[in-house]
Amino acid sequence: GQNIDQPTEMTATEGAIVQINCTYQTSGFNGLFWYQQHAGEAPTFLSYNVLDGLEEKGRFSSFLSRSKGYSYLLLKELQMKDSASYLCAVYEAAGNKLTFGGGTRVLVKP
Amino acid sequence: KAGVTQTPRYLIKTRGQQVTLSCSPISGHRSVSWYQQTPGQGLQFLFEYFSETQRNKGNFPGRFSGRQFSNSRSEMNVSTLELGDSALYLCASSLQGASSPEAFFGQGTRLTVV
Repeated sequence: GQNIDQPTEMTATEGAIVQINCTYQTSGFNGLFWYQQHAGEAPTFLSYNVLDGLEEKGRFSSFLSRSKGYSYLLLKELQMKDSASYLCAVYEAAGNKLTFGGGTRVLVKP
Repeated sequence: KAGVTQTPRYLIKTRGQQVTLSCSPISGHRSVSWYQQTPGQGLQFLFEYFSETQRNKGNFPGRFSGRQFSNSRSEMNVSTLELGDSALYLCASSLQGASSPEAFFGQGTRLTVV
């Protein structure tokens, strides 16, 4: 079966750092996506990891360990606009399918 | 370049009715996937179409169906609507191939079944 776990909610202070963990057990794996979704809006792409290691993109970084079935999204220098849900998704090339975790709602407080 | 367009944005239907949702992908994208998003279940994969063929299907009843046209536009249909079908239905388009699998999502259609 497919199982992707991430925390339901996290709270952090403006300017701080937050790390959102994602663990997965899936029948297929070709990569891992992170998406950001503001309330009432479409998910937007943040990062895509295929190989193990850290990918840095501005204030956001994403890490993958395929042997551990583990990824995290690191948000640095948090801003109020970063308050959103963050979705971890496993990509399977066969069928071009994304399997999503339940999403982590991040609340940034002043 | 225009993004993924879904119509309508909002729909209210009664139980037992059927509904058709439309999705126009980004120009040049031939893969279209559909997802259902609910507070309890999160984002769940419905099906994926490529070049007018359904390549993959999620675990949803046969009341959920779809199709893709030659211009890559896609529709999904839900028949005999149930209260539990109330959800945000998201469409995503992408280029073919694992080298560029990023899915671009539309704004979604919010369906309310009463």
